[in-house]
Amino acid sequence: DQQVKQNSPSLSVQEGRISILNCDYTNSMFDYFLWYKKYPAEGPTFLISISSIKDKNEDGRFTVFLNKSAKHLSLHIVPSQPGDSAVYFCAARPTGNQFYFGTGTSLTVIP
Amino acid sequence: DAGVIQSPRHEVTEMGQEVTLRCKPISGHDYLFWYRQTMMRGLELLIYFNNNVPIDDSGMPEDRFSAKMPNASFSTLKIQPSEPRDSAVYFCASRGGLVTGELFFGEGSRLTVL
Repeated sequence: DQQVKQNSPSLSVQEGRISILNCDYTNSMFDYFLWYKKYPAEGPTFLISISSIKDKNEDGRFTVFLNKSAKHLSLHIVPSQPGDSAVYFCAARPTGNQFYFGTGTSLTVIP
Repeated sequence: DAGVIQSPRHEVTEMGQEVTLRCKPISGHDYLFWYRQTMMRGLELLIYFNNNVPIDDSGMPEDRFSAKMPNASFSTLKIQPSEPRDSAVYFCASRGGLVTGELFFGEGSRLTVL
């Protein structure tokens, strides 16, 4: 059973606007969350992370929000750029080493 | 550092043949993971190693799948015999020992079983 879910397979956004990618999880033992970005024919690359003791982490145009009570996290990209077009994977980890990934959301930023 | 290196990048084979995928992790990383990417399940963990020892292989789908890590710089994922439903992209990833250390992925091996 998927413990990390990304219910939107795709998202299209105009350049310069905000992109919001969502992720839900079921395991309350998850204590560390990450977002990865994947271009075609490449491996996923780390984008940003957040610990369960925080509710927000910001890195330049990327911000991740964590709502533990709702078991929900989101990635905000502002402003969106055409180079942001990629598949974004949400991942979560309980104390330990196993990372659980979602199915990905394909973001298209329209120039 | 060169990053995680996987080979082959592409493999096309016929049903019933043996397939071997290879991975060289980043030097100094003591965790190695094998993932499979499919449309339905996203990135699915197959097995992971710590200091060359398999820790969790519960994600390995069947006995047809096996993985080894004979030393700190090399791992293989073998499928024997292969089936069309094994067609997917297989990723190897490694990380260091930090609690908050993220995974570093290779570029993947795209397997097509006809």
